[in-house]
Amino acid sequence: EVQLVESGGGLIQPGGSLRLSCAASGFTVNSNDMSWVRQAPGKGPEWVSVIYSGDSTYYADSVKGRFTISRDNSKNTLYLQMNSLRAEDTAMYYCVRGRGYWGQGTLVTVSS
Amino acid sequence: DIVMTQTPLSLSVTPGQPASISCKSSQSLLHSDGKTYLYWYLQKPGQSPQLLIYEVSNRFSGVPDRFSGSGSGTDFTLKISRVEAEDVGVYYCMQSIQLPRSSFGQGTKLEIK
Repeated sequence: EVQLVESGGGLIQPGGSLRLSCAASGFTVNSNDMSWVRQAPGKGPEWVSVIYSGDSTYYADSVKGRFTISRDNSKNTLYLQMNSLRAEDTAMYYCVRGRGYWGQGTLVTVSS
Repeated sequence: DIVMTQTPLSLSVTPGQPASISCKSSQSLLHSDGKTYLYWYLQKPGQSPQLLIYEVSNRFSGVPDRFSGSGSGTDFTLKISRVEAEDVGVYYCMQSIQLPRSSFGQGTKLEIK
């Protein structure tokens, strides 16, 4: 059974950093396209970052230069390092395999 | 960027009755590989989005057959043949002709009368 469990969210001040983790089971992260998708309160989802099975990465313009996606194959875990956080980064962050399998999300709140 | 437009934005349906949601894209979603990258999701209250339909008309694993998708090019439709109480939530169409530049419609909120 495919499972994705996110962690690492929380309340952080503007300018701060957080690292989100997504522990995967039932498949291997390094052989799949893995993404982080966020959803601000009351809004629709927004694709933030992708790491392809071939290791190339993509970032939305809104996070380019501030966020870094990576994975640890030995731990079968996906990460999102978020630096220079802004109020507009406040959202639920979901880990997604391909387009079909979503975790339950971890909430990031950027506020002073 | 491809813009997705859904109608209606809200829907109130009596259990057992059908429902239909329209989704239009600003560009064709037909890829050179022959596939059309249009997806439908349902986000139930307090949950993450769950995939219902992929590539226009294919039901995802475990999705009841009362859900069906159709369309081509830029015009797409999600139909629920007989709405049940568990179908409440927000329905999103999503284009994913390029995975990293996927974009969603505004969402259609379905409630039960």
